[in-house]
Amino acid sequence: GDSVTQMEGPVTLSEEAFLTINCTYTATGYPSLFWYVQYPGEGLQLLLKATKADDKGSNKGFEATYRKETTSFHLEKGSVQVSDSAVYFCALSDRSGGSYIPTFGRGTSLIVHP
Amino acid sequence: DADVTQTPRNRITKTGKRIMLECSQTKGHDRMYWYRQDPGLGLRLIYYSFDVKDINKGEISDGYSVSRQAQAKFSLSLESAIPNQTALYFCATSDGGGASFEQFFGPGTRLTVL
Repeated sequence: GDSVTQMEGPVTLSEEAFLTINCTYTATGYPSLFWYVQYPGEGLQLLLKATKADDKGSNKGFEATYRKETTSFHLEKGSVQVSDSAVYFCALSDRSGGSYIPTFGRGTSLIVHP
Repeated sequence: DADVTQTPRNRITKTGKRIMLECSQTKGHDRMYWYRQDPGLGLRLIYYSFDVKDINKGEISDGYSVSRQAQAKFSLSLESAIPNQTALYFCATSDGGGASFEQFFGPGTRLTVL
């Protein structure tokens, strides 16, 4: 079945540091890929997505490129801020059984210090 | 007003009690989902519904039941709560069909079973 593997956290950075959160996936079809962010005390919200190979999703300074050859969708940001402290979830949606039920990774906690 | 609301936001109950968590949405989406979030385990799907007459079990449905009272309302019940059902519960919606849709999450219900 489909699966998503994320790097374990927490990831701890100083403000203005470069961020990478790794995400790899396995899927039976041609999935769409997503990054969701969960700020403290809130539900998840979509950060960015990519629907086909080589697409780049971007939002709020974050980027991720859909790499079919390496089955990866790594999240990057050039300069993190304290306000980026949150839990980040990688997810995929695939036509598994025709249902398009999303599969989530376990989440990676990011802590940014001033 | 929030598009996806959950009530209650926090609940403490005792082992053996029946509990209902409610979810309402104003997005007009057909698809609704219930997840639980546990530290280190990410999101796990409990039940999902593609329309009022369509209810499906997720990966961890044992001990839970659901009711889709209307397009906008999807309730989760714990018939006899047990301590290992202590978790953060999220309702989500999506505008169904296709792999590229995103999910919209409610703010969550924190449930503690003593």
